Amino acid sequence: KAGVTQTPRYLIKTRGQQVTLSCSPISGHRSVSWYQQTPGQGLQFLFEYFSETQRNKGNFPGRFSGRQFSNSRSEMNVSTLELGDSALYLCASSFTSGGNSYEQYFGPGTRLTVT
Amino acid sequence: GDSVTQMEGPVTLSEEAFLTINCTYTATGYPSLFWYVQYPGEGLQLLLKATKADDKGSNKGFEATYRKETTSFHLEKGSVQVSDSAVYFCALSDQAGTALIFGKGTTLSVSS
Repeated sequence: KAGVTQTPRYLIKTRGQQVTLSCSPISGHRSVSWYQQTPGQGLQFLFEYFSETQRNKGNFPGRFSGRQFSNSRSEMNVSTLELGDSALYLCASSFTSGGNSYEQYFGPGTRLTVT
Repeated sequence: GDSVTQMEGPVTLSEEAFLTINCTYTATGYPSLFWYVQYPGEGLQLLLKATKADDKGSNKGFEATYRKETTSFHLEKGSVQVSDSAVYFCALSDQAGTALIFGKGTTLSVSS
């Protein structure tokens, strides 16, 4: 079974631009979560989607948004990029039953550099 | 709020040495607990998990026991290999499993 895939793997953007990252979950997984990893703040939860609905959101500004499609693929968008948005963005998917999600499996991440 | 505290690294060991990485947590309710490993340039790999008190998770020689009385989930391995060199993250999940809360990570370096 194929793992979680993320595209692109690397991205360089300029301050003020916007960016869209994509995530395809493991087949059969309907929950997708996003995390930001930086040397200073570590791993921080951004948001989680299930059945095209955002169920949970971390403490990030409104510039960070996401969505999920009917095939469970997910995208996250960051608008008006700031230098501090440079990070590894990780997507994870999990199997869900009865509304509860189980262990999360991570993709390789998208390395975003903002200049 | 919920939180995870891991021992500070880096941890430097010789091959075949015994490994312990301490992890304690603060949480309301009874979260599931996880250890993830990250190799350079890669995403996180699930190493092991435990979903209730006294559960022992194990994988690839690594073990961790969910201790509710001490709110701990320490990672152990009896004999480390050079290939175990990586960053290890302890994490807990919220009740619905929608979000993971991670510790800061512990870098392990094993030399031959």
